[in-house]
Amino acid sequence: AQKITQTQPGMFVQEKEAVTLDCTYDTSDPSYGLFWYKQPSSGEMIFLIYQGSYDQQNATEGRYSLNFQKARKSANLVISASQLGDSAMYFCAFINDYKLSFGAGTTVTVRA
Amino acid sequence: KAGVTQTPRYLIKTRGQQVTLSCSPISGHRSVSWYQQTPGQGLQFLFEYFSETQRNKGNFPGRFSGRQFSNSRSEMNVSTLELGDSALYLCASSHGTSGRTDTQYFGPGTRLTVL
Repeated sequence: AQKITQTQPGMFVQEKEAVTLDCTYDTSDPSYGLFWYKQPSSGEMIFLIYQGSYDQQNATEGRYSLNFQKARKSANLVISASQLGDSAMYFCAFINDYKLSFGAGTTVTVRA
Repeated sequence: KAGVTQTPRYLIKTRGQQVTLSCSPISGHRSVSWYQQTPGQGLQFLFEYFSETQRNKGNFPGRFSGRQFSNSRSEMNVSTLELGDSALYLCASSHGTSGRTDTQYFGPGTRLTVL
């Protein structure tokens, strides 16, 4: 079974600064996918970014980028130029056989 | 394109009752997955349906069941409700063509409270 670890329960970041959210995973599968989702207080899970295990380059989507280090089994999310609307819970997730396995999440609070 | 919709958004039930939650996927998506989110257990996978067939199931008791209709809409049912079933139930849809790359898009969730 895959295990996803997010070691930062909560983080504070100043508006307009960058923040890095840590995620490590454990799998023996050579082919897999990793996701990051954002969950505001409203509850809806919002897809942010995807990284495939065979992708040659790190994924980027606007202000979101993924620092993927396959050998270390880490997939850290970098949010650049933080905005007040980025305050939310962030989840790293591993997909296998149509099933997402989530980490415990990191709460990000952006300060003005 | 409309997103994933879930109804109802909020439910209050009492122990022993049963409940049915509904999920309509994004148009063109044939896979629907269900997840339970609680403060203690986090996000847990319940089951996934594709073309009316359950392809994967999580580690939940038989009181939790689901089905998918020919139009890809899905329902999940929880019978004999327990206090511990109080949770946010999230539905997600995807194309269902790859178990390792498909992006799952989530609905707003149904918040169930069991009294």
